[in-house]
Amino acid sequence: AQSVTQLGSHVSVSEGALVLLRCNYSSSVPPYLFWYVQYPNQGLQLLLKYTTGATLVKGINGFEAEFKKSETSFHLTKPSAHMSDAAEYFCAVSERTGGRRALTFGSGTRLQVQP
Amino acid sequence: DSGVTQTPKHLITATGQRVTLRCSPRSGDLSVYWYQQSLDQGLQFLIHYYNGEERAKGNILERFSAQQFPDLHSELNLSSLELGDSALYFCASSVAASSGGELFFGEGSRLTVL
Repeated sequence: AQSVTQLGSHVSVSEGALVLLRCNYSSSVPPYLFWYVQYPNQGLQLLLKYTTGATLVKGINGFEAEFKKSETSFHLTKPSAHMSDAAEYFCAVSERTGGRRALTFGSGTRLQVQP
Repeated sequence: DSGVTQTPKHLITATGQRVTLRCSPRSGDLSVYWYQQSLDQGLQFLIHYYNGEERAKGNILERFSAQQFPDLHSELNLSSLELGDSALYFCASSVAASSGGELFFGEGSRLTVL
């Protein structure tokens, strides 16, 4: 069975500082991995995804994440935080079982960006 | 704008009542997923329909039911409502039966049960 753990329900950074949101997963088969972002009063939107191939994936708004199989991690980073990055971020894992893929979300990390 | 439309955006009702939430997927998408988001439970998968047929069930209560119609819109029916059903209900859509996880979400329907 698959699961996702996001370390830190709240992260606060200063504008211009590095953003690092942590995600660890467990999966019995090679997973697909995702980061979604939820801005206030909006639905979730896809930031980036890893399926196969290059383990460093780039997404929208300057975010990127690296799949590290040995560490079962898929941490999200951005070199320089902007005020508009304040949102809730969800890591998700998709694992194929019985011919179907089920998507499991982490509990989310709320990112605050201080001026 | 994801292209997924949910109505109503807000709904306030009393315990014991029944409500229906509606979702129109993106044009061309055959899959519809329903999720419940609450402070204590996080984002929970409820149910998945593909082209009118139920494909997968998650943590959906027996008091809840859903269907997908021939025009591909979907409805989530919540009955015998309890205070704990207060949450944000999201619909998401994708093209394929098994999207691999790339879903397009609506803005949600916020249900408040008093």
